[in-house]
Amino acid sequence: DAGVIQSPRHEVTEMGQEVTLRCKPISGHDYLFWYRQTMMRGLELLIYFNNNVPIDDSGMPEDRFSAKMPNASFSTLKIQPSEPRDSAVYFCASSLTGDNEQFFGPGTRLTVL
Amino acid sequence: QKEVEQNSGPLSVPEGAIASLNCTYSDRVSQSFFWYRQYSGKSPELIMSIYSNGDKEDGRFTAQLNKASQYVSLLIRDSQPSDSATYLCAVGGLTGGGNKLTFGTGTQLKVEL
Repeated sequence: DAGVIQSPRHEVTEMGQEVTLRCKPISGHDYLFWYRQTMMRGLELLIYFNNNVPIDDSGMPEDRFSAKMPNASFSTLKIQPSEPRDSAVYFCASSLTGDNEQFFGPGTRLTVL
Repeated sequence: QKEVEQNSGPLSVPEGAIASLNCTYSDRVSQSFFWYRQYSGKSPELIMSIYSNGDKEDGRFTAQLNKASQYVSLLIRDSQPSDSATYLCAVGGLTGGGNKLTFGTGTQLKVEL
């Protein structure tokens, strides 16, 4: 069975551009999580969904960030406009239940110049 | 006070020795506890989960949970160079945390030949 799939794996963009990150959770998992990881701040939860509904977006840093989950097999995280401080690795994870085992995708390494 | 605390390391152990990694958490209502391994440039990989007080063994790994003292540890027996990685402790069920996990900043383990 395929694990969590993320695309693109690497993204280099210029400040002010729109960035869209994509995630496909493990089939049958009801929860989807978006994380950001940096050396300074470690692994931070941005937002999570249950059955395609956003439950907690308190970790979203500002209005430039938005996330959607239009169906059970697809989610996007969008940054518009992007800034150099958004440079990080963005992970998507999914789980069967909320505080149960989460499985991570390979991540998207974002560099904003 | 951070909600989940780990010593950042690096923790250096010789090959074949036991590596002991520790994690403390601040909230007594926490219900679920996880250890993830993260190699440099890779995504976190779940290696152990524990929900009840006591020990849980899986191969060379043993997770230990003490809810009264609010700590969880990971023992790695017969450490191998391939165990060299950053180990993240994650705690679920924190007060107000809903169904999300809170991660520590990780302990870097180096297994030396």
